[in-house]
Amino acid sequence: DSGVTQTPKHLITATGQRVTLRCSPRSGDLSVYWYQQSLDQGLQFLIQYYNGEERAKGNILERFSAQQFPDLHSELNLSSLELGDSALYFCASQGSEETQYFGPGTRLLVL
Amino acid sequence: AQKVTQAQTEISVVEKEDVTLDCVYETRDTTYYLFWYKQPPSGELVFLIRRNSFDEQNEISGRYSWNFQKSTSSFNFTITASQVVDSAVYFCALIRTSGTYKYIFGTGTRLKVLA
Repeated sequence: DSGVTQTPKHLITATGQRVTLRCSPRSGDLSVYWYQQSLDQGLQFLIQYYNGEERAKGNILERFSAQQFPDLHSELNLSSLELGDSALYFCASQGSEETQYFGPGTRLLVL
Repeated sequence: AQKVTQAQTEISVVEKEDVTLDCVYETRDTTYYLFWYKQPPSGELVFLIRRNSFDEQNEISGRYSWNFQKSTSSFNFTITASQVVDSAVYFCALIRTSGTYKYIFGTGTRLKVLA
């Protein structure tokens, strides 16, 4: 158990809809990363937050947004969903050490 | 441009064999980080190592070792005396932190360790 939780574990929705994925980092970790893993695109880094502020941005679509709240949990919002957004979404947290701890992922299926 | 190549799509070895997973990267930056991650069949991602571009020392952690060579732009990963539990997909990644931030993954190498 990495100590990072993600909810929900599975999500099935329709095209055009909006969903929110949640990530709770390990206690005390200030950094949260979001990743997408799909068959087409492989593993991609989406975005990183550090103590509530956006730290780095990767291949995150404009239809996607994220934020990190004062309690350090983070949410990834995906809107106007397309079939191609079906993927496994991981978050990871990181503290002062270099180790990243991954959550179990949220599997999103867009029908 | 930055690129990470894991040319070995799939490797099969018999338990107790040593195996090396190759990672070749491209970058013109002098400051960057290299990573290895493991994704076992259960699907979760596991961080294995981070190395910065100024630290070319090889790293050993139990049966795992990493060979970082800037001269050949490679960051190879060796598992000694492989075990069935090492069966997983292994990803190499490069992070560029100067200028435009880039975090690029290789396509992964699937390692099958047969009993």
